[in-house]
Amino acid sequence: QVQLVESGGGVVQPGRSLRLSCAASGFTFSPYAMHWVRQAPGKGLEWVAVISSDGSDSYFADSVKGRFTISRDNSKNTLYVQMNNLRLEDTAVYYCAKASVGVASGGAFDIWGQGTMVTVSS
Amino acid sequence: SYELTQPPSVSVSPRQPASITCSGDNLGDKYASWYQQKPGQSPVLVIYQDTKRPSGIPERFSGSNSGNTATLTISGTQTMDEADYYCQAWDSSTAVFGGGTKLTVL
Repeated sequence: QVQLVESGGGVVQPGRSLRLSCAASGFTFSPYAMHWVRQAPGKGLEWVAVISSDGSDSYFADSVKGRFTISRDNSKNTLYVQMNNLRLEDTAVYYCAKASVGVASGGAFDIWGQGTMVTVSS
Repeated sequence: SYELTQPPSVSVSPRQPASITCSGDNLGDKYASWYQQKPGQSPVLVIYQDTKRPSGIPERFSGSNSGNTATLTISGTQTMDEADYYCQAWDSSTAVFGGGTKLTVL
């Protein structure tokens, strides 16, 4: 079945780094852009980053620009986000989501993973 | 930065229609999508490109978008529709979500 499975979450101290992964299965991964979206405890959805289908284009929310990078390995059907210099306010469930388009801008988020929790705490 | 504004909560009686609004500057010039999120679950796309329903989404879900407001309408609301609903649109290369609306069916 169509599935996105995130991994790599955990508890990390402020200023440290963490890399999340998202493994895709049940659909053809390479033609579609992919996103990371987060949700702080008890809060709404916040878009984090997007990468185009071929990895050549990416965009970030202002709140993570310069600290997070996004990448993908189409041979492994896997999406990544490298999160550096983590802050308390980065604490959230991180979802990966498939875009309905291949370009990095536009489209809807038509498949979502189950999410992985990242807690930034001293 | 671009903002989308939703009412924090909407209440509806079972089998009655429910409408959830999403407001933003010239939102009608953009495509709006809507997502349903039940407690403890991941979001699910229910409307895209203003009015289209993904496969598997019941016909009672519909959408519109004009001027500064996009609207999600649920006709014949069922108790299973109780959830948080988020609108989303693109502003240049940034995806923007509304703050979410908690739909209570009582």
